[in-house]
Amino acid sequence: EAQVTQNPRYLITVTGKKLTVTCSQNMNHEYMSWYRQDPGLGLRQIYYSMNVEVTDKGDVPEGYKVSRKEKRNFPLILESPSPNQTSLYFCASSLDWNTGELFFGEGSRLTVL
Amino acid sequence: SQQGEEDPQALSIQEGENATMNCSYKTSINNLQWYRQNSGRGLVHLILIRSNEREKHSGRLRVTLDTSKKSSSLLITASRAADTASYFCATDPPPNTGNQFYFGTGTSLTVIP
Repeated sequence: EAQVTQNPRYLITVTGKKLTVTCSQNMNHEYMSWYRQDPGLGLRQIYYSMNVEVTDKGDVPEGYKVSRKEKRNFPLILESPSPNQTSLYFCASSLDWNTGELFFGEGSRLTVL
Repeated sequence: SQQGEEDPQALSIQEGENATMNCSYKTSINNLQWYRQNSGRGLVHLILIRSNEREKHSGRLRVTLDTSKKSSSLLITASRAADTASYFCATDPPPNTGNQFYFGTGTSLTVIP
């Protein structure tokens, strides 16, 4: 089944404790991206990747890191999480930039205390 | 911000009625897409309309695009309780001007059985 898989789905952590949210897609998609969703603000893009080893900042990259060493994986790293990073995070992928249609993971709800 | 805005923010209708949601955006686009999100779940792609198209249909969905007004509408005909969800528009810029998708803030639709 074609899908985007995120882990963990739910996480409660404390300020400053490094964490990684994994994202994997099995559709051989070139384009992958991370979004955060907050009430009243919609979805805001954190980082995106056009292909392996190519990543770029979105609108809200501060406090986040990403890497794209393999085509299928695009982990989101919070080196030193803070309470303002409490949010619902989505990973998404697309065949390529021009195709347009994004496939989303089920989301990772992160709480930073 | 280049985010779009949906209007209304919330909409409540009776089953069988039509639901219309509007999206306005700020800059030139390549494509405009509509997505659906069930509560707390990942977004699901509904329909894509290209900047040179004015109207598109898919089942009970009808999308229009007016690039001169920088706006789009999504019409769901003969609504069902299962259509209850949030609906988001997303735009991507013309070729060679950027590689980001911009999402609106969403319309929350409630269909009352």
